[in-house]
Amino acid sequence: EAQVTQNPRYLITVTGKKLTVTCSQNMNHEYMSWYRQDPGLGLRQIYYSMNVEVTDKGDVPEGYKVSRKEKRNFPLILESPSPNQTSLYFCASSLSGLADYNEQFFGPGTRLTVL
Amino acid sequence: QKEVEQNSGPLSVPEGAIASLNCTYSDRGSQSFFWYRQYSGKSPELIMSIYSNGDKEDGRFTAQLNKASQYVSLLIRDSQPSDSATYLCAAPARDGSGNTGKLIFGQGTTLQVKP
Repeated sequence: EAQVTQNPRYLITVTGKKLTVTCSQNMNHEYMSWYRQDPGLGLRQIYYSMNVEVTDKGDVPEGYKVSRKEKRNFPLILESPSPNQTSLYFCASSLSGLADYNEQFFGPGTRLTVL
Repeated sequence: QKEVEQNSGPLSVPEGAIASLNCTYSDRGSQSFFWYRQYSGKSPELIMSIYSNGDKEDGRFTAQLNKASQYVSLLIRDSQPSDSATYLCAAPARDGSGNTGKLIFGQGTTLQVKP
């Protein structure tokens, strides 16, 4: 089944404890992206990757890191999480980031709480 | 900052009625637009995409694009309670070279279909 998977789905952690949220897709998509969703603020893009080893900042990259060493994986790293990073996080992928048909497929989401 | 704007709602319609969801965008160069549906606590799923001026129909859904007025709309005919969700409008951000890889989402409109 073609899909985007994220792990963990739920995570409660404490301020300053490094964490990684994994994202994997099995559709051979070139483009992957991370979003956070907060009430009243909609979906905001954190980082995106056009292809392996190519990443770029979205609108809210502060406090996050990403890497794209393999085409299928795009982990999101929070080196020192803070309570304002409590949010619902989505990973997404699409065939291409540059074509007009940039239809993105979303993972199931990771609900992160930072105490 | 390129923007995509939606009325957050909620938009309430009776079962069987036509629901009309609207979205405006600031980048006159935008070429493609996407409508995603998101049920509470779930990930967004693509329901319609539109690239050309005019109407595009898919079952009970019709997307309408007017590039001159910079708006895109989604009509849902014969609305059902199962259509109750948040509808997100999105457009790729562009620069002088074309799409940047960033996808800009509106804040979403919450639709309530009452039996």
